[in-house]
Amino acid sequence: NAGVTQTPKFQVLKTGQSMTLQCAQDMNHNSMYWYRQDPGMGLRLIYYSASEGTTDKGEVPNGYNVSRLNKREFSLRLESAAPSQTSVYFCASSDSQGQGAGEQFFGPGTRLTVL
Amino acid sequence: AQSVAQPEDQVNVAEGNPLTVKCTYSVSGNPYLFWYVQYPNRGLQFLLKYITGDNLVKGSYGFEAEFNKSQTSFHLKKPSALVSDSALYFCAPQERGGFKTIFGAGTRLFVKA
Repeated sequence: NAGVTQTPKFQVLKTGQSMTLQCAQDMNHNSMYWYRQDPGMGLRLIYYSASEGTTDKGEVPNGYNVSRLNKREFSLRLESAAPSQTSVYFCASSDSQGQGAGEQFFGPGTRLTVL
Repeated sequence: AQSVAQPEDQVNVAEGNPLTVKCTYSVSGNPYLFWYVQYPNRGLQFLLKYITGDNLVKGSYGFEAEFNKSQTSFHLKKPSALVSDSALYFCAPQERGGFKTIFGAGTRLFVKA
């Protein structure tokens, strides 16, 4: 099993460009998440999808959109990139256990630089 | 507002000595409590969790954590540190019955040989 995979690993954008970060998991998990990691700030939740067909905003959703394409895939789109979106982006998944999500499994991350 | 505090940016210990990485939280509703570890240029990996029951939880790689309800703390411990334990550690309460996890800023553990 590959676990959680993310593409691309690295990306450089110019201000105003758009791009989509791809994420897929092969663990049959119901829930998927997108985080950004900035130095000294831990991880902050951008969006999450509790189950296929649903998405919800997290702590820092502005400037991002998501699509839960199917149970396996959860993409993150930046419509008009800004330098403040320079960060490392992590996708994660978890097996919802009825009382809330269990431990999360993380992808290797995408390092994004916006010039 | 919900918050997590990891008061030490870095913890330095000698190999073979015990280690403690501290975490306190302010999250309503008796959250689930997690510890994750991140090695350089990698995603986070799950170490252990507290759901209910015994206040001492055992996890991967010989780590354990002690839950203290009155102090709302969940400190990570290991009896004997290894150089390979050097990494970034995150405390992460999760709202019970929900999907939002709050991550601390992280504590860098450095184990010296």
